[in-house]
Amino acid sequence: EDKVVQSPLSLVVHEGDTVTLNCSYEVTNFRSLLWYKQEKKAPTFLFMLTSSGIEKKSGRLSSILDKKELFSILNITATQTGDSAVYLCAVLYGNKLVFGAGTILRVKS
Amino acid sequence: KAGVTQTPRYLIKTRGQQVTLSCSPISGHRSVSWYQQTPGQGLQFLFEYFSETQRNKGNFPGRFSGRQFSNSRSEMNVSTLELGDSALYLCASCYGNNEKLFFGSGTQLSVL
Repeated sequence: EDKVVQSPLSLVVHEGDTVTLNCSYEVTNFRSLLWYKQEKKAPTFLFMLTSSGIEKKSGRLSSILDKKELFSILNITATQTGDSAVYLCAVLYGNKLVFGAGTILRVKS
Repeated sequence: KAGVTQTPRYLIKTRGQQVTLSCSPISGHRSVSWYQQTPGQGLQFLFEYFSETQRNKGNFPGRFSGRQFSNSRSEMNVSTLELGDSALYLCASCYGNNEKLFFGSGTQLSVL
């Protein structure tokens, strides 16, 4: 069965900390892996990864994919309270997109 | 460019009723997908429509159905509502191949 597993399920950090969120997957016909941030209702797109070992960066956020070990990580450095959200990992295979359950991140001031 | 628009934002229904949710995709996007989100369950895929045809379907009972119109707007219908159908229903659109989905703000459905 195709599945996407995220860890941890939740974590609480202090402003300025660095966090690493994990996403592992088991799917056939993998095409790409995507990260989304969900603050209230609408998830917003962060990254799309298709190739192993190539880091994508956007400000304090970065992500990398390992297609051999079937996982991806999302790093957030110098966290801010505005980073508090649910981070969703999704894997595109064929024409289907399957999401993990998400990681709830809370950044305390 | 307007984003994905979902209506209504909130709905309260009772068991046994039916409900129709609406989604207007970003202009030019031909694919519309629907997801159900409940606490701790992540986003569960319902179905995807492309050019008025259902292209993919998730593992939901037949009470959940949808359609897409020629202008790419989509509707989702849930019949014979159950308490467990209470959830946030999200619609997402993209140009064609389900990469980089753009999500609407969702419809929060409460079934009493």
